Amino acid sequence: EVELLESGGGLVQPGGSLRLSCAASGFTFSRYVMSWVRQAPGKGLEWVSSITGRDGTTFYADSVKGRFTISRDNSKNTLFLQMNNLRAEDTAIYYCAKDGHYGSGSPFYFDSWGQGTLVTVSS
Amino acid sequence: QLVLTQSPSASAPLGASVKLTCTLSSGHNTYGIAWHQQQPGKGPRYLMKLNSDGSHSKGDGIPDRFSGSSSGAERYLTISSLQAEDEADYYCQTWDTDILFGGGTKLTVV
Repeated sequence: EVELLESGGGLVQPGGSLRLSCAASGFTFSRYVMSWVRQAPGKGLEWVSSITGRDGTTFYADSVKGRFTISRDNSKNTLFLQMNNLRAEDTAIYYCAKDGHYGSGSPFYFDSWGQGTLVTVSS
Repeated sequence: QLVLTQSPSASAPLGASVKLTCTLSSGHNTYGIAWHQQQPGKGPRYLMKLNSDGSHSKGDGIPDRFSGSSSGAERYLTISSLQAEDEADYYCQTWDTDILFGGGTKLTVV
């Protein structure tokens, strides 16, 4: 059974940094694109970033490009999101998601989701 | 520009059927999508991947009451024999150079 467990959320001041982690199990982690998707309070889902399985090619939404960095450690089945220069509009629940295509070179769709971790950016 | 359009809300009686629609923007009617369900206070749950020809593959444990179909630029999610736990937000999602979500449909079971 696929399990995705996010951690690292919390309260941070505007301009601050935070690093999210997602521990994965139940599948061959290194062969799947992994992604972060966020949901601001009362709003819909917004894709944030994705990273391919083996060569680590990265993809970012324009809203976070240059501020957020996605990475992964395939030896530890863990996905990361380094968030710098945080803004109030980054306040959201951040979900880790597994892609549905085995061995893909880009993100397609999400077939497993974590329960999310809350990031609050406020002074 | 690729855009997914969903009605903000829908409602249907307990035990009835409901058909939710996700519309792809002009020129993108060959795109597949995925449907996701988000029950109140929970994370999203993958329901199915839906191709432009109407073929679909559901996630593990998704009941037969959930089905998908396609017509032109429209992608549908049909839920039959509605149950109370089907009351949720439903999002369609597609992929191009980026990942894109529709705005979601809030389904109320009355």
